[in-house]
Parts: sequence; structure tokens; C-alpha cells
Amino acid sequence: NAGVMQNPRHLVRRRGQEARLRCSPMKGHSHVYWYRQLPEEGLKFMVYLQKENIIDESGMPKERFSAEFPKEGPSILRIQQVVRGDSAAYFCASSSGGSDTEAFFGQGTRLTVV
Amino acid sequence: QQQVKQSPQSLIVQKGGISIINCAYENTAFDYFPWYQQFPGKGPALLIAIRPDVSEKKEGRFTISFNKSAKQFSLHIMDSQPGDSATYFCAASMRGSQGNLIFGKGTKLSVKP
Repeated sequence: NAGVMQNPRHLVRRRGQEARLRCSPMKGHSHVYWYRQLPEEGLKFMVYLQKENIIDESGMPKERFSAEFPKEGPSILRIQQVVRGDSAAYFCASSSGGSDTEAFFGQGTRLTVV
Repeated sequence: QQQVKQSPQSLIVQKGGISIINCAYENTAFDYFPWYQQFPGKGPALLIAIRPDVSEKKEGRFTISFNKSAKQFSLHIMDSQPGDSATYFCAASMRGSQGNLIFGKGTKLSVKP
């Protein structure tokens, strides 16, 4: 049973380009969470999605960032017109939902903006 | 406003010693308190978690102590080993939203042989 799969593991983008980060949840999981981790910092919640729905995007920056979790395929975190401050590790977690379920994290995508 | 405060930032322990990491929270609506272990270049891995209806939970060498009235919880690692050297994060979330975690800033543990 594969865990949460994220790709790419490392991504380098020039300022102004777009970054697309992918997350495939664990088998049987329909809830996906995205987090951002800056160097030497804890993880910060960004967005919570279920299939085809954004449930909570309270941690998402208002501009340039968007997320989706389509009926088929992985969840995508999209960052448009990247800036140096977007350089961070982005982690995805998944759970099966419900009040007593745990979230399992992927290995992360390390985004570097040059 | 930081909702979960973690200390210390870093910790050095001798092999065989006890590592203790503390966290304090502010929001009384939190009802799920996990600890995560993260190695360099890896994602966080759930270590142990507790709910406020118990004051202690033990799994192997890892113990969570929970003080609801003080709004504090701590992780104790008994017989610490060099392989335990990692960054540890406490976190908290509310009922029905366990994936929406508020993390502490982390403690970098180094266990010396």
C-alpha cells in the first residue's frame, strides 16, 4: 500500500514562472491537505480539499496560489508568477476523513525559485 | 498569534538519557494532539497522539503527558538513541478536522553516542 506520493521531489523555477505540485493520496483516502514549510520553521496549513471541493482555504495566500483535487487524478497545488519568497518545502497529507482519522504526509516537494 | 508554542528549539541528550519536549496551546477547542518526527529531507511521520480525555499515553519508548488545565503537553523519549536524532513537532487540531493541524516550530534533537 503506497503512501502519499508527491512529485516532483525537487522543482526549480525562475521568478515569474508557474509551479505545479502534485499529490496522490494514499489508497482509500479522499481528503487532502497542503502545508508549506519554510527553513527552520514548522508546517503551516494552506488548504484542505476533498474530491472536487475546497473545504478550507484559510491558509492560502490570496493571490497567485490555487489548489484543486479533481474527480480523477492527483491534487494539484499551483503557484503562478513565482517569487523568491515562495521557495519552501510543500507537503501534502491525506486522510480517510471522519472524526478519528490520522493524516499521513508525503515526502514533500522542495521548490526553489531562482 | 502563535497558537502552539514549543520548547526548546534544540536539545542535546546523551545516549540512554531522557529527552523532554514541551508544548503549550491556547485554543481550548483543540482536541487532538499529535507529535511528528521529521528527518532531513523527509516528510513528517506521526509518532504518537493523544486526546484530552487521558493524561498520559505510552507507546514503546515514547510517552505523551497531557495537562488539560494548564493547556500543556509534552513528549518524553526514554532511553534516547542516536537514531532518534531528528526534528520533532507538536501539533493540535479541532474535532472533525484532524488534518488541519496547527504545528509548533519544532525541536531539533541530537542524541550523542
